[in-house]
Amino acid sequence: NAGVTQTPKFRVLKTGQSMTLLCAQDMNHEYMYWYRQDPGMGLRLIHYSVGEGTTAKGEVPDGYNVSRLKKQNFLLGLESAAPSQTSVYFCASSYSYPSGDPDTQYFGPGTRLTVL
Amino acid sequence: QQQVKQSPQSLIVQKGGISIINCAYENTAFDYFPWYQQFPGKGPALLIAIRPDVSEKKEGRFTISFNKSAKQFSLHIMDSQPGDSATYFCAASEGAQKLVFGQGTRLTINP
Repeated sequence: NAGVTQTPKFRVLKTGQSMTLLCAQDMNHEYMYWYRQDPGMGLRLIHYSVGEGTTAKGEVPDGYNVSRLKKQNFLLGLESAAPSQTSVYFCASSYSYPSGDPDTQYFGPGTRLTVL
Repeated sequence: QQQVKQSPQSLIVQKGGISIINCAYENTAFDYFPWYQQFPGKGPALLIAIRPDVSEKKEGRFTISFNKSAKQFSLHIMDSQPGDSATYFCAASEGAQKLVFGQGTRLTINP
């Protein structure tokens, strides 16, 4: 099992450009999450999903959109990138219904995004 | 506003010593308190977690101590090893989905 994978690993954007980050998991998890990690601020939840076709806002959702069209994939979109969105983005997933551990979140390796 | 406050920001411990990292939270509805370990260039990985029905949980050299009345919890690493050098994050949530993370502690174990 590959676990949680993220594409791309690195990306540089200019202000105003758009892009989509892809997260894929092969653990049949119900829940998926997008976080951003900034120095001195820990990880902050952007959006999350509790099942295919559902999404919800987290702590810092502004400037981002998400979609979960397939259970194994969770996409994070930046419509008009800003320098404040320079960060490392992590995807995570959890919970295999019905008997899996509902609590543990498994993280991907991250995407380092720089917006100039 | 920072719902989970973590200290210290960085910590240096000698091999074989005890590493202690502290966290304080504000939301009394939080009922799940995990610690995550992150190595450079990697994603965080769950180390140990506790729910507020117990005051302590131990897994190998790692122990969580939980003080519900003080709204504080801490991670103790006994017999610290150079391989424990990493960044540690505490977190809290109501349920286990919407985690709120602390700021992180960079731990260095000197050989």
